Amino acid sequence: KNEVEQSPQNLTAQEGEFITINCSYSVGISALHWLQQHPGGGIVSLFMLSSGKKKHGRLIATINIQEKHSSLHITASHPRDSAVYICAVSTVDSNYQLIWGAGTKLIIKP
Amino acid sequence: DGGITQSPKYLFRKEGQNVTLSCEQNLNHDAMYWYRQDPGQGLRLIYYSQIVNDFQKGDIAEGYSVSREKKESFPLTVTSAQKNPTAFYLCASSNRQRSYGYTFGSGTRLTVV
Repeated sequence: KNEVEQSPQNLTAQEGEFITINCSYSVGISALHWLQQHPGGGIVSLFMLSSGKKKHGRLIATINIQEKHSSLHITASHPRDSAVYICAVSTVDSNYQLIWGAGTKLIIKP
Repeated sequence: DGGITQSPKYLFRKEGQNVTLSCEQNLNHDAMYWYRQDPGQGLRLIYYSQIVNDFQKGDIAEGYSVSREKKESFPLTVTSAQKNPTAFYLCASSNRQRSYGYTFGSGTRLTVV
């Protein structure tokens, strides 16, 4: 079993829909990261969080430390949100290693 | 603007040749990382460096080598010993405390023919 699990693997939605991507982990973490990878391959860091909730524009990330679960929400989704969204965790044991989820491929249709 | 520059974006090499991928950052970050990404898989850590002239192996260091002679630069050499070098390679950096997360480059897609 992977230490970081994302769901769903693939998600197709219509423009305007509310999107939720989930991430569960089984290790002790110091922080959880949400990243976005566009078709060209470059990765952009969206959020780094260790508790609670963060919001940036139409993106919201939440984390529940007790349940070892995080969600990334996109409100009023748009075709430009189409990308792979990746969850990764910084672990308590390893200062510099990230453990990566396999990613969620999101397609927003106009 | 500050960021990470990886070059080239696409690279083709013949089997048996060594190839060096460039990674330069102007963020004044102490730590730099190299990741490999294969289709349908998560990123895997090849090497990382916390300070100049020091680096550590990640999970899949075999067949790769790095150097960190300058804070800004962390080149990765894919040697002929790497059995399956065709992949997408990403460089990243962070401040030492990682308090601001990670910054990633745009990646280099290496194809060995």
